[in-house]
Amino acid sequence: NAGVTQTPKFRILKIGQSMTLQCAQDMNHNYMYWYRQDPGMGLKLIYYSVGAGITDKGEVPNGYNVSRSTTEDFPLRLELAAPSQTSVYFCASSYALAGVYEQYFGPGTRLTVT
Amino acid sequence: DAKTTQPNSMESNEEEPVHLPCNHSTISGTDYIHWYRQLPSQGPEYVIHGLTSNVNNRMASLAIAEDRKSSTLILHRATLRDAAVYYCILLNNAGNMLTFGGGTRLMVKP
Repeated sequence: NAGVTQTPKFRILKIGQSMTLQCAQDMNHNYMYWYRQDPGMGLKLIYYSVGAGITDKGEVPNGYNVSRSTTEDFPLRLELAAPSQTSVYFCASSYALAGVYEQYFGPGTRLTVT
Repeated sequence: DAKTTQPNSMESNEEEPVHLPCNHSTISGTDYIHWYRQLPSQGPEYVIHGLTSNVNNRMASLAIAEDRKSSTLILHRATLRDAAVYYCILLNNAGNMLTFGGGTRLMVKP
């Protein structure tokens, strides 16, 4: 199993540009998550999904969109990038509720917006 | 979810046991105690979790106080690869969001 994979590893965007961060998992997990981690800080949840076709906002959803058309994939879309979105983005998945089951994280995408 | 308190940093010698404490005095009956760690420049990694009883797995042991107001993550023999930030997180059985606080930065000396 590859686990949770993320592409790209690094990206530099100009202010106002858009991009999609890709995330895929091969563990047949129902739940998937997007977090961001600012330098020296903990993770904050952006969006999560409890299954294909179902998504919900987390703590910091503004400026982002998600979709979940398959169990395996959970892309994160940034529209009109802003310097405040400079961060490391982590995708994660779990079999079911994170309270009971562990989350598996991808290696992250380091995004810089200038 | 209730708040946890952890020391900012701890130091250990290689091949010695490490006890990482976590206080969670406002824990509720449905809160699970989770531990994750984050190695430099990597994503968080699940370590262990429990509800009431002590738990063991291949990575670590989790000792939970009888009143559940504190817990201790035990690494039985620290290696250099265990140098990371360790996060203690409470999450109830309906929770989806891991809330990472400051964590404990563990340094392992050879």
